[in-house]
Amino acid sequence: DAGVIQSPRHEVTEMGQEVTLRCKPISGHNSLFWYRQTMMRGLELLIYFNNNVPIDDSGMPEDRFSAKMPNASFSTLKIQPSEPRDSAVYFCASSSSGRDNTGELFFGEGSRLTVL
Amino acid sequence: AQSVAQPEDQVNVAEGNPLTVKCTYSVSGNPYLFWYVQYPNRGLQFLLKYITGDNLVKGSYGFEAEFNKSQTSFHLKKPSALVSDSALYFCAVVSGSARQLTFGSGTQLTVLP
Repeated sequence: DAGVIQSPRHEVTEMGQEVTLRCKPISGHNSLFWYRQTMMRGLELLIYFNNNVPIDDSGMPEDRFSAKMPNASFSTLKIQPSEPRDSAVYFCASSSSGRDNTGELFFGEGSRLTVL
Repeated sequence: AQSVAQPEDQVNVAEGNPLTVKCTYSVSGNPYLFWYVQYPNRGLQFLLKYITGDNLVKGSYGFEAEFNKSQTSFHLKKPSALVSDSALYFCAVVSGSARQLTFGSGTQLTVLP
């Protein structure tokens, strides 16, 4: 298996522009998580999906952030409009939430976003 | 509610010496405990987990961790550190009906040659 795949790996944009980050979870996994990592705040859970349905989006910082999961193999995290304080590394992770699930997450390599 | 504390932001150890990275947790119910490692510019990688059974858990790259229920701790250990072990280490916990891991703040391990 190729693991969790994220794109782009690096994104540099200007304040006010729309940013879309993409994630393909591991095949067969039915839970998907979006995290943000910064030096100041560490690793923050933004939102997670189970069976393509958003379960908890309490970590989404504000209305400028939105996430979708139109099918089991694809999710997007969108920031519109972007601001310099959104600069961070955004990670996608997936897991299997079946009966034998013990909560282990598999992470992608991350998307490093820089908003100028 | 569940929470994890990693009391040390930074741990330095000489190559060849034993290393310990500390983690304590707070949950209601029985915990599932995890250690992840993050190398520079990479995603988090699973190292090991405790679910049930033997309190000493062995994982990847020679790491092990000991579950101590009375002290609510799950410290990560390695008998002999390597320079290549230098990385950011995260402890995490999930319990009961909670569906997502709660991560600690991370500990930067530096192994000095």
